Amino acid sequence: GQNIDQPTEMTATEGAIVQINCTYQTSGFNGLFWYQQHAGEAPTFLSYNVLDGLEEKGRFSSFLSRSKGYSYLLLKELQMKDSASYLCAVMDSNYQLIWGAGTKLIIKP
Amino acid sequence: DGGITQSPKYLFRKEGQNVTLSCEQNLNHDAMYWYRQDPGQGLRLIYYSQIVNDFQKGDIAEGYSVSREKKESFPLTVTSAQKNPTAFYLCASSIPRGQGGETQYFGPGTRLLVL
Repeated sequence: GQNIDQPTEMTATEGAIVQINCTYQTSGFNGLFWYQQHAGEAPTFLSYNVLDGLEEKGRFSSFLSRSKGYSYLLLKELQMKDSASYLCAVMDSNYQLIWGAGTKLIIKP
Repeated sequence: DGGITQSPKYLFRKEGQNVTLSCEQNLNHDAMYWYRQDPGQGLRLIYYSQIVNDFQKGDIAEGYSVSREKKESFPLTVTSAQKNPTAFYLCASSIPRGQGGETQYFGPGTRLLVL
């Protein structure tokens, strides 16, 4: 079966750095997405990786290793507004998105 | 402004009742999707449509129906056959699937509750 694993919850301090990991086992691979979702709101797109390596976008970076079935989202200079759930999703061989359950990130002052 | 709208924000369903959730987009996207989100679970695909007048079942289509008569609109009906409808329903759109890297953009969601 297809599976996406992420930690359920993480806590970090304002101004610090946090890394949210995602491991996957899917039927084929056509890219990996990270979304941010604030409570009760829609997911919003953060990043897309299809080749191995690091993609940097401001305070957020995303890394992919296809051979290891592994990605992480790195958030720097954490702000209180970064408190949200972070969803990892993999596009499989049928171009369907397979979603992880999300990681709830709690930022403390 | 381009975007996706969903209505209503909250919807209450009585036993045996069919309810319809609205989804409209003005992003000129061909593909549209309906997902269901339950606590502690990933988003699950209910139905998707790649083009007007065509749609496909997702992983959990039982108890749901859709139509795609216009490019901009993809309404979802939750029928009385769906025994556990309480969830957060999300509509999304993208460029057509199959090209790789198609980012899906989401509407604000409808929370469905059973009375």
